[in-house]
Formats: sequence, structure tokens, C-alpha cells
Amino acid sequence: DAGVTQSPTHLIKTRGQQVTLRCSPKSGHDTVSWYQQALGQGPQFIFQYYEEEERQRGNFPDRFSGHQFPNYSSELNVNALLLGDSALYLCASSLVGAGEQFFGPGTRLTVL
Amino acid sequence: AQTVTQSQPEMSVQEAETVTLSCTYDTSENNYYLFWYKQPPSRQMILVIRQEAYKQQNATENRFSVNFQKAAKSFSLKISDSQLGDTAMYFCAFMKGSGAGSYQLTFGKGTKLSVIP
Repeated sequence: DAGVTQSPTHLIKTRGQQVTLRCSPKSGHDTVSWYQQALGQGPQFIFQYYEEEERQRGNFPDRFSGHQFPNYSSELNVNALLLGDSALYLCASSLVGAGEQFFGPGTRLTVL
Repeated sequence: AQTVTQSQPEMSVQEAETVTLSCTYDTSENNYYLFWYKQPPSRQMILVIRQEAYKQQNATENRFSVNFQKAAKSFSLKISDSQLGDTAMYFCAFMKGSGAGSYQLTFGKGTKLSVIP
């Protein structure tokens, strides 16, 4: 049973560029959440997707957008990258209505 | 808004000993979940244990157990017979119950636990 997978593992971009991160949920899960984890901090909720729609959004600007596909996989897009966007981006999947979320290994984004 | 506070940035414990990590939270909700997640240096966030607020019995998972004090809004994690593989960041997290219209996990800042041989 495959767990949550994310790609790529690492990414280096420069300020002003755009980036796309990808996530495949755990088998049987239909809901995907994205979190940003700055160095030395706990993860911060970006948004959650269910039935291909954004269901809830955290306190992040519109530069952060996402998408969920019919197979439940998801993308996180960040436009006009800032130095402060450098972080570990975590994807978590769950079943709608279930309490727990299962995390992927994350994508380390470095913005130079 | 919910907040989660972990007051111990770092802790250490001798192998085979017992250690307790503290967590307090603030919420006006009555129905919610609490979690402890472990994040080793490999970065993968792993669920250690969960507690539903309506359950009075404290959750246990093998060597891991919690002390859930709902009135005090306290949720500590006890690790018994500590092993070297327990070395990791530990995060306490809160989620509103289903039906509350909120699906996000709110995390504390974490406690770095080192198990010493």
C-alpha cells in the first residue's frame, strides 16, 4: 500500500519565478492538504482540496494556488517567489470526515 | 482561533528511560481531535497517537501514551522505554471535530527530543 508521495524532493528557484509541487495521496484517500514548514517551526496550513475544489484556505496570499485532479492527486503552485517562500512543503492526505492526516516526505524549496 | 503551545524546545532522555513532552492548547470547541506527530531527520511526519476529545480514556500505542486533561486543555505525551529511534522533533497538533467546517491541523512549534545511548 503506497503512502503519500511528493515530487520533486528538492527544488532551487530564484526570486520572481514560479514553481509547481506535486502530491499523490495514500491509496483510498480523497482529500489533500498542503502545509508550509519553515525551518525550526511547525507546519502551517495552506489549503485543502476535496472533490477537485479548494475547501478551506489558511492565511496565505493568492500567489499560492492549487489544483486537485480526478484521481485525487494534487498540485501546489507558487507564483512570484519570494525569499521567504523557502521552506519544506508537506502534503497530507485523508479520507473526508476522518480525523487523521497522513503526510508525505515533503519537498524542500530553496529560493535564491 | 485555536493555538497550540509546546513549552519545551528541547529535551533529552537516556535510552530505556521515560520522558514526558508537554502540550497545551486553547479552543472554545467541545468536539476536536488532538495528535502527536513525530518528524525524524528524514523529514517524514509520522502520526504517533491521536485522542478524540469526547473520549475520557487516555490513548495508548505501545510505548506511547497520553495524559489528556480536557478541563486544563493539556495533552502530554509519555514515551516509555525510550529507544534511539525515538530521536526526532515531536509536534502536538489540534483539529476541530468533523462537522465543524474546519479541516486544518494547527501545530505547535515542536519539541526536539534526543535519546542518549
